[in-house]
Amino acid sequence: AQRVTQPEKLLSVFKGAPVELKCNYSYSGSPELFWYVQYSRQRLQLLLRHISRESIKGFTADLNKGETSFHLKKPFAQEEDSAMYYCALSGLSGGSNYKLTFGKGTLLTVNP
Amino acid sequence: GAGVSQSPSNKVTEKGKDVELRCDPISGHTALYWYRQSLGQGLEFLIYFQGNSAPDKSGLPSDRFSAERTGGSVSTLTIQRTQQEDSAVYLCASSLAARGSGYTFGSGTRLTVV
Repeated sequence: AQRVTQPEKLLSVFKGAPVELKCNYSYSGSPELFWYVQYSRQRLQLLLRHISRESIKGFTADLNKGETSFHLKKPFAQEEDSAMYYCALSGLSGGSNYKLTFGKGTLLTVNP
Repeated sequence: GAGVSQSPSNKVTEKGKDVELRCDPISGHTALYWYRQSLGQGLEFLIYFQGNSAPDKSGLPSDRFSAERTGGSVSTLTIQRTQQEDSAVYLCASSLAARGSGYTFGSGTRLTVV
């Protein structure tokens, strides 16, 4: 079974402070990990994926297979980063099915 | 179209009525997914279509829920005899059937059962 855990429902930081949104996963095979973001009154959108090893809007995330984690980090938070963040895992689920399993999300608030 | 389109954007229905929610995926995306988003519950997987394969219905919460995808494109999610606990945002997403491709989500249908 595949499972994604985001231990923090709410996270509040001040502008300019570092931020880390935690994500742990459980999967027996070789997973693909993603972070999705939903800004207020906007649709859910892909922020970054581990396979690309990219930095989007200053955010990075490193897959740590030993700790089964995929934490999202940004060194200096901005007010516009305030949003709901979801960690997601994709793994083979019968044949070629690449179903995404989501965590329950973390609501990030960046205060001025 | 340019993105995943869902209709209606909002739906208020009386308890016991049937509702149909529509999703039009991105052209060329062979995989289509329905999720339910509830406050505090995150995104709950409902059903997944991939090409001509049998759909993965493992997430449907009861037999009142059903979905179909016609011609490998548009999908309809039907909820029969709606209950108040069905109130949620229903999200549709599509993707290429490729590892690591990620999903593109629609803006959702907010269903309120009164």
